[in-house]
Amino acid sequence: EVQLVQSGSEVKKPGESLKISCKGSGYRFASYWIGWVRQMPGKGLEWMGIIYPGDSDTRYSPSFQGQVTISADKSISTAYLQWSSLKASDTAMYYCARFLYGDSPSFDPWGQGTLVTVSS
Amino acid sequence: EIVLTQSPGTLSLSPGERGTLSCRASQSVSSSYLAWYQQKPGQAPRLLIYGASSRATGIPDRFSGSGSGTDFTLTISRLEPEDFAVYYCQQYGSSPFTFGPGTKVDIK
Repeated sequence: EVQLVQSGSEVKKPGESLKISCKGSGYRFASYWIGWVRQMPGKGLEWMGIIYPGDSDTRYSPSFQGQVTISADKSISTAYLQWSSLKASDTAMYYCARFLYGDSPSFDPWGQGTLVTVSS
Repeated sequence: EIVLTQSPGTLSLSPGERGTLSCRASQSVSSSYLAWYQQKPGQAPRLLIYGASSRATGIPDRFSGSGSGTDFTLTISRLEPEDFAVYYCQQYGSSPFTFGPGTKVDIK
């Protein structure tokens, strides 16, 4: 079974750094793109970016370029999303999902989500 | 950036009724690059439809997708209690791979 398992909820203060993770199993992790999606409280889905773990090729949405860093370690089948200095506006649920790049792209499956709360 | 607009914002229906959800793109999107997702409260989104009309694995045939160019539709032929959720379309025609704002299907 293809599965993505994300790290647990985080509560941080503004200005702190954070790195959350997404571990894939049940498939060849290095051969599929992984994407990250933000969902702010009570809001819709926002595409943040994708990474190809095989060579760490990364694409960002302009809205998130420079605000976060997406990385991956194929040796442990894990992708990461990190912030160097959190803001209250980063409070959201963050989802990873396997990105099926091809003739008919889609995100499938999705991780369970990581809730990040940034508050002083 | 391709902007997706979904209508209606909320669709109030009774179980057994037919639901028709619309997704309109600000510029043409290849039908191969349009997907639909379902999200229930407290859950991660789930892929329903890819390539505008192909059902993902395990998705019941009461869900169907259609459309091309700038206009796409998700149809739920007979609503079951478990179908009350929020539905999002997403385009992969050009980066950033934007989502629509969602349509909430709730119980009338």
